[in-house]
Amino acid sequence: AAGVIQSPRHLIKEKRETATLKCYPIPRHDTVYWYQQGPGQDPQFLISFYEKMQSDKGSIPDRFSAQQFSDYHSELNMSSLELGDSALYFCASSLPPYGSYNEQFFGPGTRLTVL
Amino acid sequence: AQSVTQPDIHITVSEGASLELRCNYSYGATPYLFWYVQSPGQGLQLLLKYFSGDTLVQGIKGFEAEFKRSQSSFNLRKPSVHWSDAAEYFCAVAPDPNDYKLSFGAGTTVTVRA
Repeated sequence: AAGVIQSPRHLIKEKRETATLKCYPIPRHDTVYWYQQGPGQDPQFLISFYEKMQSDKGSIPDRFSAQQFSDYHSELNMSSLELGDSALYFCASSLPPYGSYNEQFFGPGTRLTVL
Repeated sequence: AQSVTQPDIHITVSEGASLELRCNYSYGATPYLFWYVQSPGQGLQLLLKYFSGDTLVQGIKGFEAEFKRSQSSFNLRKPSVHWSDAAEYFCAVAPDPNDYKLSFGAGTTVTVRA
């Protein structure tokens, strides 16, 4: 079965650079969630999208922005990178978040290292 | 404050022994409850979930969990651990039917010794 695809899997950037992470949801999933997992930390919710509109926002820095495109893939843009942004970034997708709860399926993550 | 607590940071268990991982939550109503497993360098895999109904839920890889409303707990168990169960385990909640983002506990690292 198709899974959530994230690219790149690994990314190394310098401080103050910009990074773009991509997430391709499971076919027919129109809802995407982004989570950040720092070293030794639990995943923290950043932001979510439903039908190309932002549906919820968590502890996402102002330096980060995200969007969902017409094909439902999502991109997380991170500017002015800081050392503390080094983390594993997960994307998850699900069917629409209304009515009964729909399970989130997680991608393998993108490991971002900021030097 | 709303929270998910996993009291045990690290558990070491012998192969073939039983395993129990604790999870407590603090929310106004019974949230949706999940257990995820993360192997080193890997993504999160759902082991099992509880929405309502039977309080003992079965998951993949021989895991089960029991929801206890009176204790606000959702503990994960496996009768006989295999070396491949060495991983980090996260308890997670979705607070209510209209809030789908997941809040995770701090995780419990399981080491399996031969």
